[in-house]
Amino acid sequence: LQLQESGPGLVKPSETLSLTCTVSGDSISSSFYYWGWIRQPPGKGLEWIGDIHYTGSTYYNPSLKSPVTISVDTSKNQFSLRLNSVTAADTAVYYCASFWAKLGTRYMDVWGQGTTVTVSS
Amino acid sequence: YVLTQPPSVSVAPGKTARITCGGNNIGSKSVHWYQQKPGQAPILVISYDNDRPSGIPERFSGSNSGNTATLTIARVEAGDEADYFCQVWDSSSDHVVFGGGTKLTVL
Repeated sequence: LQLQESGPGLVKPSETLSLTCTVSGDSISSSFYYWGWIRQPPGKGLEWIGDIHYTGSTYYNPSLKSPVTISVDTSKNQFSLRLNSVTAADTAVYYCASFWAKLGTRYMDVWGQGTTVTVSS
Repeated sequence: YVLTQPPSVSVAPGKTARITCGGNNIGSKSVHWYQQKPGQAPILVISYDNDRPSGIPERFSGSNSGNTATLTIARVEAGDEADYFCQVWDSSSDHVVFGGGTKLTVL
């Protein structure tokens, strides 16, 4: 299983950040997997953004100030992130990951390499 | 739900490093640990408190009881120098929660 992020590295303030994660080596339509996003601001720790099941069930971090949408496209084996009205605080490395969900817990077993997104005019 | 980790831990090569992760009744949850080296994506080193994924050395182990989970790295090597993050799934709020991370320095 491999995941690869893609999308613009520079976004203007108040605009929308859009990233796509392409999954290879397995089907995104797996019952035990969720697919999600984590970010890491420069020099800081990991922040969960949210995740989605192929059936469309989504979970989001309510602490995020910018509105978030995560969607899935099973035909392309991809899932996507949209972060609206971004500010400089959204500057970070964005990782996509597979979330193994079983036995009442969830963890990230495979990560993408990460993509740096800078919010600046 | 809040997970608390010490910002830094230092250990001499060949010794044992212990990195803690504190949380209210964390022993009732499954704790997962990630290692992140500079400029790289995190990798999973421990799941379900003490399960090692394929490829992770036996030197890595975990425990979880009461209000503290611990990642233990035996016979520490220079290559273990990294940031380590604990993580749980908070079922009461349906959220993934990360600890703030601990920087392991090998002296």
